[in-house]
Amino acid sequence: QVQLQESGPGLVKPSQTLSLTCTVSGDSSSSGTYYWSWIRQPAGKGLEWIGRIYPTGSTNYNPSLKSRVTISIDTSKNHFSLKLSSVTAADTAVYYCARGTVKLFDAFDIWGQGTMVTVSS
Amino acid sequence: SYELTQPLSVSVALGQTARITCGGNNIGSKNVHWYQQKPGQAPVLVIYRDSNRPSGIPERFSGSNSGNTATLTISRAHAGDEADYYCQVWDSSAVAFGGGTKLTVL
Repeated sequence: QVQLQESGPGLVKPSQTLSLTCTVSGDSSSSGTYYWSWIRQPAGKGLEWIGRIYPTGSTNYNPSLKSRVTISIDTSKNHFSLKLSSVTAADTAVYYCARGTVKLFDAFDIWGQGTMVTVSS
Repeated sequence: SYELTQPLSVSVALGQTARITCGGNNIGSKNVHWYQQKPGQAPVLVIYRDSNRPSGIPERFSGSNSGNTATLTISRAHAGDEADYYCQVWDSSAVAFGGGTKLTVL
């Protein structure tokens, strides 16, 4: 059974870079029928898509975050990562990694449990 | 960016049918996915491509999509269906989520 697990610091200082990793187990992150996304959710609010990466390394980002976001993948280690620069309190949220599935018409069928990131000095 | 509009809340009596709408410009031309999220948990896919259920999702969950509105229907509502529900589409290589609907089972 495929599982995703987010990891990274739970506290980031304003203006610094938030870095998270999502480890994929039970499947290969190099499979061409899937791609990998980051999605976040501020407390009490809705879901916001951050971006996605294919096993080839091709990416798409949310236009509202594009200037600050980098998503990368290491298929040999079966993980992908998120970097969000110049963070502010508005970036405080639960961050989820998720698998996008082509055969399900690009729905997100597997999600990590989420990791809380707080931006504060 | 593409906007999706959901009602903030929907209530349904136990055992009755709940309908949650998701409005968007010509959304009927897009594939709509629906997620259920319970407090403190990650979202779970309950409907993909308008009306298809992933394995393990009860037949009580169904969906439709036409014109400017997609609808998630939950029949014979259980107390365990109480959750937030989000619709989602892809538009120009970017994801749009609806704002979410809190379903209360009375």
